[in-house]
Amino acid sequence: QSALTQPASVSESPGQSITISCTGSSRDVGAYNYVSWYQQFPGKAPQLMIYDVNKRPSGVSSRFSGSKAGNTASLTISGLQAEDEADYYCSSYTKSSTWVFGGGTKLTVL
Amino acid sequence: QVQLVQSGAEVGKPGASVKISCKASGYSFSNYYMHWMRQAPGQGLEWMGLINANGVGTNYAPTFQGRVTMTRDTSTSTDYMELSSLSSDDTAVYFCARTQAVAGTTFYFDFWGQGTLVTVSS
Repeated sequence: QSALTQPASVSESPGQSITISCTGSSRDVGAYNYVSWYQQFPGKAPQLMIYDVNKRPSGVSSRFSGSKAGNTASLTISGLQAEDEADYYCSSYTKSSTWVFGGGTKLTVL
Repeated sequence: QVQLVQSGAEVGKPGASVKISCKASGYSFSNYYMHWMRQAPGQGLEWMGLINANGVGTNYAPTFQGRVTMTRDTSTSTDYMELSSLSSDDTAVYFCARTQAVAGTTFYFDFWGQGTLVTVSS
C-alpha cells in the first residue's frame, strides 16, 4: 500500500488561507468517506483535526475544514495563525481493511 | 478523561525483539480497537496494524506481517506490540491510538499515546 501524496511543505502569511492536498487512489481516498487529518508538533503525538472528510471534533477551531473530490482530499486552514505552524498528515481507510497515511506537509506561517 | 500511556524508551540490538505497552484509562477498553503506528526520524507516519476490541483478532500491515505481534490484556486495559528481527530501519517513535468498535465503528484515531522511542543499535 503506497503512502498518500501530500506536498512536502506549504507556507503563507498570517491571516491568509492555505489548502493542503492529499492524493490517493480508488482503493483508499476515492473508495470511502473515511479521510482524516492530523496536526503534529515536534516531539508530540498527532492530534485529530478532521474526520470523515469534513467533520470537526469538539474543540477544533472552525478555521479548519476538509473536503474531497474523487481520489483527492484537501485540508483548508483559514485565517492562518502562528500557532498553526506544524506538520499535517492525512489518513484514509482502504479497501484492504488497512489504513494509509500521507507523507506529511510542513506548514510554515511566515 | 481518556488516556493512553505508553512504556518508556527502548534500545534493541539488531536481530532482537522489543515489546512496547499502551495502558488505557478513562473509557470502556473493550469497545475500542487499538492501532499501532510508527514514525522514523524526520519521516511520516506508518500504520502497522490493529488488535480487535475483543483482543482475539488482529490485522497487520503487509510490511510487518510475520514480524509483529499485537496482544491485549483486558484485565489491566493494556495493549502490547512486539516487533522482532529488529534492524536499524526500525529505529522510530511508536504510537498507539484507538478507533471505536461498537455503537458505530469509526475510522479515525481520536486519542493517541505519547509515543515510545525505539532505538536499534549494537
